Amino acid sequence: AQSVTQLDSQVPVFEEAPVELRCNYSSSVSVYLFWYVQYPNQGLQLLLKYLSGSTLVESINGFEAEFNKSQTSFHLRKPSVHISDTAEYFCAVSETGANNLFFGTGTRLTVIP
Amino acid sequence: DAGITQSPRHKVTETGTPVTLRCHQTENHRYMYWYRQDPGHGLRLIHYSYGVKDTDKGEVSDGYSVSRSKTEDFLLTLESATSSQTSVYFCAISARDRIVYEQYFGPGTRLTVT
Repeated sequence: AQSVTQLDSQVPVFEEAPVELRCNYSSSVSVYLFWYVQYPNQGLQLLLKYLSGSTLVESINGFEAEFNKSQTSFHLRKPSVHISDTAEYFCAVSETGANNLFFGTGTRLTVIP
Repeated sequence: DAGITQSPRHKVTETGTPVTLRCHQTENHRYMYWYRQDPGHGLRLIHYSYGVKDTDKGEVSDGYSVSRSKTEDFLLTLESATSSQTSVYFCAISARDRIVYEQYFGPGTRLTVT
């Protein structure tokens, strides 16, 4: 069965510092991987996705994530965070050909001025 | 903007009363989903639909029913609301007729059962 683990429920970081949000998954078959961001009182927005090809994927606002099949991980990184990055981040996995997404429990990123 | 609206956006109701939440899409996508979001649990799938009148259960379907009589509308019903159903409910759509299967989410409905 699929599962997604986000080990850090809260991550405080100072503005302009780097950050890594960790995501590990378990699945016995090929997967698609996603990161979603949720700003306060809003729905989830797709941040980036891995479907196939290059294991390093990037978003338009400077985030990147790397698919590591051997470690079953899809960690999200940003080299320099901004106040506006304060939000909750969810990792999600879908087995190829499946209908559903399985979500992690989320990581609340707080950027400190 | 993925063309998804949810109504109502906020609702307070009493234990034992029926509640229906509506999700409306303008994208004509086949797949629609209902999730609930609770602290410490992330998002959990309640029910989903893969076409008009075609629905299936998700991870936490007990106490919920759904209906889809038109492509654009997906209704979630709590037949007799309980306090454990206090949550934020999100609708999502997926254009599964393309190779990419990401989901797009509505703004959410905050439901409080007193």
